[in-house]
Amino acid sequence: AQSVTQPDIHITVSEGASLELRCNYSYGATPYLFWYVQSPGQGLQLLLKYFSGDTLVQGIKGFEAEFKRSQSSFNLRKPSVHWSDAAEYFCAVGALVIYNQGGKLIFGQGTELSVKP
Amino acid sequence: GAVVSQHPSRVICKSGTSVKIECRSLDFQATTMFWYRQFPKQSLMLMATSNEGSKATYEQGVEKDKFLINHASLTLSTLTVTSAHPEDSSFYICSANHRGLDEQFFGPGTRLTVL
Repeated sequence: AQSVTQPDIHITVSEGASLELRCNYSYGATPYLFWYVQSPGQGLQLLLKYFSGDTLVQGIKGFEAEFKRSQSSFNLRKPSVHWSDAAEYFCAVGALVIYNQGGKLIFGQGTELSVKP
Repeated sequence: GAVVSQHPSRVICKSGTSVKIECRSLDFQATTMFWYRQFPKQSLMLMATSNEGSKATYEQGVEKDKFLINHASLTLSTLTVTSAHPEDSSFYICSANHRGLDEQFFGPGTRLTVL
């Protein structure tokens, strides 16, 4: 079955500290992986995506993620967290549009990030 | 580029009434649009996928007669919640993509409250 697991429901870090949000997936085909951020009452903003190539992907706002096929993981990292990073983060997996799935995404449960001053 | 809008952003209605939510791709042609539902503190659950000019494909457990989806043009999809009840209160988010673009672009969401 296709699924995405974000093991941490809520994480609190101090401002300036490093951050890692975990994401594990189960997907039958070549996975295309995404991280999105959602502020309260808002839609989703794409942080970064992985389709192929270099397994370390750089995104916006200083985020990066590393695809590890052997561990079926796509963890999100940031070396120094800012108070404005407090939000909900979603990992998602999908297939290429051209491969019949129509670009359907499967989302993880989300991780809420709180940032302490 | 790749902006998706939703209207209204917030709607309150009485139980038994119908509510229409619009999703528009403002600067690209959306061959496929997706409708999601999100309960508080929960993830996005895909409700249906709609391709322009054809019937929507609903996910298992989603009542197609209750959640009517129309994708009449390449820039507009609508979700109508018919005979809404309090349990339909939720945050509804649409997204869109274009064939050849492997990324969905999300709208800002619509908060539906049914009294």
